[in-house]
Amino acid sequence: NAGVTQTPKFQVLKTGQSMTLQCAQDMNHNSMYWYRQDPGMGLRLIYYSASEGTTDKGEVPNGYNVSRLNKREFSLRLESAAPSQTSVYFCATRGMGLASSEQFFGPGTRLTVL
Amino acid sequence: AQRVTQPEKLLSVFKGAPVELKCNYSYSGSPELFWYVQYSRQRLQLLLRHISRESIKGFTADLNKGETSFHLKKPFAQEEDSAMYYCALSRMGGGSNYKLTFGKGTLLTVNP
Repeated sequence: NAGVTQTPKFQVLKTGQSMTLQCAQDMNHNSMYWYRQDPGMGLRLIYYSASEGTTDKGEVPNGYNVSRLNKREFSLRLESAAPSQTSVYFCATRGMGLASSEQFFGPGTRLTVL
Repeated sequence: AQRVTQPEKLLSVFKGAPVELKCNYSYSGSPELFWYVQYSRQRLQLLLRHISRESIKGFTADLNKGETSFHLKKPFAQEEDSAMYYCALSRMGGGSNYKLTFGKGTLLTVNP
């Protein structure tokens, strides 16, 4: 099992360009999350999806959109990239139930916006 | 609102020395506290959670509700413990809108 996978691993964009970050999981988890990681800021939640067909804003949603395509896939789209969106983006999943509070993370996508 | 504070951005110790990474939180309900670790070039992974009350890789953490703290401790640090450590908080019991709030992280360096 691959767990949580993300593509691409690295990306360089010019200001104003658009792109979609892909996340897929084979853990049969209901909940999926997108975070950004910035030096000195920790991980901040961008959007999350509690289950297939639902999405909600997190702490820093501006400039992003998401799609929960199916139970396995949760994509993050930057419509018009800005230098402030230079960051490392992590996708995570979580199962259901009291014993499933652990989140499982993907390897990350390192994005640079010039 | 929930908040997690890790007061130290950087922490450097020598191998064999005790280490304590501090974490304080603010939350109005019943919290569940976690420590996540990110080793160099690896993905973030769960180290331990307070409800398990277990020791992982020699690390322990006790939830102190009076002081609203969840400090991570290890009596004898090893070089392989060098990593970024994040304290995180969520609402106890999960639920459909379950979210984690992370601290800003502490970079631990264990020197030989």
